[in-house]
Amino acid sequence: DTAVSQTPKYLVTQMGNDKSIKCEQNLGHDTMYWYKQDSKKFLKIMFSYNNKELIINETVPNRFSPKSPDKAHLNLHINSLELGDSAVYFCASSQETNGKAFFGQGTRLTVV
Amino acid sequence: GDSVTQMEGPVTLSEEAFLTINCTYTATGYPSLFWYVQYPGEGLQLLLKATKADDKGSNKGFEATYRKETTSFHLEKGSVQVSDSAVYFCALARGNTPLVFGKGTRLSVIA
Repeated sequence: DTAVSQTPKYLVTQMGNDKSIKCEQNLGHDTMYWYKQDSKKFLKIMFSYNNKELIINETVPNRFSPKSPDKAHLNLHINSLELGDSAVYFCASSQETNGKAFFGQGTRLTVV
Repeated sequence: GDSVTQMEGPVTLSEEAFLTINCTYTATGYPSLFWYVQYPGEGLQLLLKATKADDKGSNKGFEATYRKETTSFHLEKGSVQVSDSAVYFCALARGNTPLVFGKGTRLSVIA
């Protein structure tokens, strides 16, 4: 069974659209994350979330919003997509914030 | 803020060559240090970790030692294989902060 799964794996969409990426973890972890990986492979934290607190990287535009229906899911909603949003988005989870993180396989988003 | 600096790639080696990928960090306090690996088309996987000074993390023939005096966590492997071709990320975590990654180093091993 996949520990952290995200869907879709690929997403191609037009500028201005609204899209969502789903993430589920079956590890029973308390904390989940979204990272953005740009074309140069640089990974940047976007959000971290546990059942108590959402921490937002202040550089993330407010067009991006995480939604957590329950502890095992952290979905990423993106409004009014822009060309610069094209990247690979990774979901991850961990039991402790200062410990090993498990990553999903990534969602490659292409905005045209 | 916290940051991680690792050597820029790409690094191209012949099979059985010795590998070193340098990593240094800046952080207050005592972070935990990690190396993650990303194989083509996949997500990141933890390769090894060290949680305090002088700890050595090791896995699959890779090693890295937490050097507080030089704020470094260099990754080494004595004999690389073609299957080691991937992007390697050095990272740190401190307190309740999420992982902070370096920019990644692409390794290509040729037969």
